[in-house]
Amino acid sequence: DIQMTQSPSSLSASVGDRVTITCRASQDVRDHLAWFQQKPGKAPKSLIYAASRLQSGVPSKFSGSGSGTDYTLTISSLQPEDFATYYCQQYKTYPLTFGGGTEVEIK
Amino acid sequence: EVQLVESGGGLVQPGESLRLSCAVSGFTLSDHYMDWVRQAPGKGLEWVGRSRDKANSYTTEYAASVKGRFSISRDDSKSSLYLQMNSLRTEDTAVYYCTRLRDSAFDLWGQGTLVTVSS
Repeated sequence: DIQMTQSPSSLSASVGDRVTITCRASQDVRDHLAWFQQKPGKAPKSLIYAASRLQSGVPSKFSGSGSGTDYTLTISSLQPEDFATYYCQQYKTYPLTFGGGTEVEIK
Repeated sequence: EVQLVESGGGLVQPGESLRLSCAVSGFTLSDHYMDWVRQAPGKGLEWVGRSRDKANSYTTEYAASVKGRFSISRDDSKSSLYLQMNSLRTEDTAVYYCTRLRDSAFDLWGQGTLVTVSS
């Protein structure tokens, strides 16, 4: 199985900050990489697929980049509604696997 | 409105069975791959399994942790996806989400249904 490692596991940031979350795969996932946002008690929301493509309706403050085994999610200017847990996922190979999550908290 | 609505969760004892449903609306179920993903209380996301679309004969894939116990089916005439769960274990306790795929990636999630396996 492909292991997905996110860092950091949590971070504290202020409104307006630029935030970057990293996801590392145990092998090349060839951009078959997605990012999700989850708020407490709610279902995940799809943000990005194919490493850098925004899902429909997702604001452009979210961006994804990377290749091979290393990928990043960036939030350009953190807003109150962005405080949540973020997960990466590879969908290149079965079983599909997720990172452990990054909790973004208010500083 | 495009949406997925899960139902069928509840409290069951170890070894029992349960069937979850996912009612879809706003799109044609047969055109899409559909997956189930679960999340144990306070934990991360875990992929459970996949049902491919009609063009791919509705073939399925499963995580090792559920293979042989869980099965995914669908009834396109009812716009519904199902997850049949047999021989349930305490470690199957989780919120179960159905998801739609587009361009090979999840684009839409249901609200989830809670399954609790406990004696």
